[in-house]
Amino acid sequence: DGGITQSPKYLFRKEGQNVTLSCEQNLNHDAMYWYRQDPGQGLRLIYYSQIVNDFQKGDIAEGYSVSREKKESFPLTVTSAQKNPTAFYLCASSSGGTYADTQYFGPGTRLTVL
Amino acid sequence: AQSVSQHNHHVILSEAASLELGCNYSYGGTVNLFWYVQYPGQHLQLLLKYFSGDPLVKGIKGFEAEFIKSKFSFNLRKPSVQWSDTAEYFCAVTPPSGNTPLVFGKGTRLSVIA
Repeated sequence: DGGITQSPKYLFRKEGQNVTLSCEQNLNHDAMYWYRQDPGQGLRLIYYSQIVNDFQKGDIAEGYSVSREKKESFPLTVTSAQKNPTAFYLCASSSGGTYADTQYFGPGTRLTVL
Repeated sequence: AQSVSQHNHHVILSEAASLELGCNYSYGGTVNLFWYVQYPGQHLQLLLKYFSGDPLVKGIKGFEAEFIKSKFSFNLRKPSVQWSDTAEYFCAVTPPSGNTPLVFGKGTRLSVIA
């Protein structure tokens, strides 16, 4: 089945540790996105990538980093510099022609920093 | 900054009631408009979208939305809701060029009670 996978579903880390969230897609999409979802805040864009080896900061990139070495993979690292990392993280992809293309979302990773 | 406003944070309806969820945006000019839905335990998915043409757009599961340019609005409607419509609904906007990522509203949680 084509789709987006995110792992793990739940993740616990101690404060001060970096943690990497996985996002893989087999839809052959060019564009990939990371969002953070907090209750009552909607989806806020962290980073996005339209093509391999290129990515741009979104609205809330501070404390996060990404890489796009392969078309199908877009891992997100939550660094110790992120002041409030506990949140639900969603990865998405789209075919990439424009940002108006339909985005397809993964199941999300809930990160809790203790 | 461009923004999307969803004024209803939580809506509670009885089955068979009519639904209207508000969405307003602050972009000037024409826009691409979307409604995404997140059912409990499921991936966020596209409900419907408007690019141009007929301002009344039909989506999946009996939903529709009307684009009113003069009011900068794209309200979501359904004549008769079902318990299975319980979900969180997100409005999103991108300019017609499609060269800027989607901006999402904060979401509206719909609870349908029997």
